[in-house]
Amino acid sequence: GAGVSQSPRYKVAKRGQDVALRCDPISGHVSLFWYQQALGQGPEFLTYFQNEAQLDKSGLPSDRFFAERPEGSVSTLKIQRTQQEDSAVYLCASSRTLDYEQYFGPGTRLTVT
Amino acid sequence: ILNVEQSPQSLHVQEGDSTNFTCSFPSSNFYALHWYRWETAKSPEALFVMTLNGDEKKKGRISATLNTKEGYSYLYIKGSQPEDSATYLCASAGGETSGSRLTFGEGTQLTVNP
Repeated sequence: GAGVSQSPRYKVAKRGQDVALRCDPISGHVSLFWYQQALGQGPEFLTYFQNEAQLDKSGLPSDRFFAERPEGSVSTLKIQRTQQEDSAVYLCASSRTLDYEQYFGPGTRLTVT
Repeated sequence: ILNVEQSPQSLHVQEGDSTNFTCSFPSSNFYALHWYRWETAKSPEALFVMTLNGDEKKKGRISATLNTKEGYSYLYIKGSQPEDSATYLCASAGGETSGSRLTFGEGTQLTVNP
């Protein structure tokens, strides 16, 4: 069966550009998470959706980061006016419910120059 | 312990060696402990989810134990093979955070030399 997919896999942006990262979760998975992994660090929580509701966005580092999941399936993480410190791998994960294991996509590697 | 900590940071072993890694996590308000295996350019692969103190889980040559009272988990690999080379991440659900958001350690990078 299809796993979690993310696109693009790699993105190079010039500082100040806006970017949009897409996540296609496993069909039927209710919960969707975004994590950010900076070089040499473990992944860090950004935000969480249950269906279309964004229940926790406490990990978003600034108001330049915005995530949505309008129909409770595909999710988009948008970063406005990218900065060099935004360079990282952005991971998306989905799970059947809140209590089940999370299945990860391969990530989008964002490089801001 | 406020954060999830993993040791060692990296490990080089010879094919056939057995090895183990440590994950320390906040023992207060514990919910679950996850182990993932992450190969370069691939998706992190779930190995184990453990919830009960004293849990032991096994998948092939890989096994894990959990001590929720003292806040640590061990991952063991028996007879390491080159294809075991990857970064092994542990993540805690609970502690200072709520729900199932995962707090990850920095990972242990394992290299198995043929």
